[in-house]
Amino acid sequence: DTAVSQTPKYLVTQMGNDKSIKCEQNLGHDTMYWYKQDSKKFLKIMFSYNNKELIINETVPNRFSPKSPDKAHLNLHINSLELGDSAVYFCASSNTIEAFFGQGTRLTVV
Amino acid sequence: QKEVEQDPGPLSVPEGAIVSLNCTYSNSAFQYFMWYRQYSRKGPELLMYTYSSGNKEDGRFTAQVDKSSKYISLFIRDSQPSDSATYLCAMRPSGGNTPLVFGKGTRLSVIA
Repeated sequence: DTAVSQTPKYLVTQMGNDKSIKCEQNLGHDTMYWYKQDSKKFLKIMFSYNNKELIINETVPNRFSPKSPDKAHLNLHINSLELGDSAVYFCASSNTIEAFFGQGTRLTVV
Repeated sequence: QKEVEQDPGPLSVPEGAIVSLNCTYSNSAFQYFMWYRQYSRKGPELLMYTYSSGNKEDGRFTAQVDKSSKYISLFIRDSQPSDSATYLCAMRPSGGNTPLVFGKGTRLSVIA
């Protein structure tokens, strides 16, 4: 039973398109995150949500819009995709100490 | 200076070797220190965490934190080919739900 699940696992799309990534956690955690991992494996926080409320937005372009319909779900919508958006996007959820990650969504913009 | 520094490697060792992985950090507010392992095309999985300074052992893995030097280490004893992965250190202050701050990860290969 997967704790943090993301869909899709792979996404290939053209520049200028709009796409969404979905994330769900069944751990009962209040806090969820989106991280971006670049080609050099560096994991950088994008957004943090606590109980459906946005608490951190790390200077991410406003083409990226997270949405949390309930505390078990945190989706990421990206408008007007650019080549530089190609990366692996990880959703995570957390109790107050550990964070648990999904398997990632590999986004390739062509 | 980045908040968390980690040598990206790659690091290649023979099977059975003792591996030492390290991170330094600059934010003295960090209280929780974690090590994640990430296999290729998978998400990071938590190996272990320590709170404040000290050591913690779990099987072949030992984590050490020296807050006075702002330096953390992960030791892997009797390394196995299945340990080949990228190891990421991560840390956060205590309290609240501040996100983890990660190092860049060290890629480890254990050669049979």
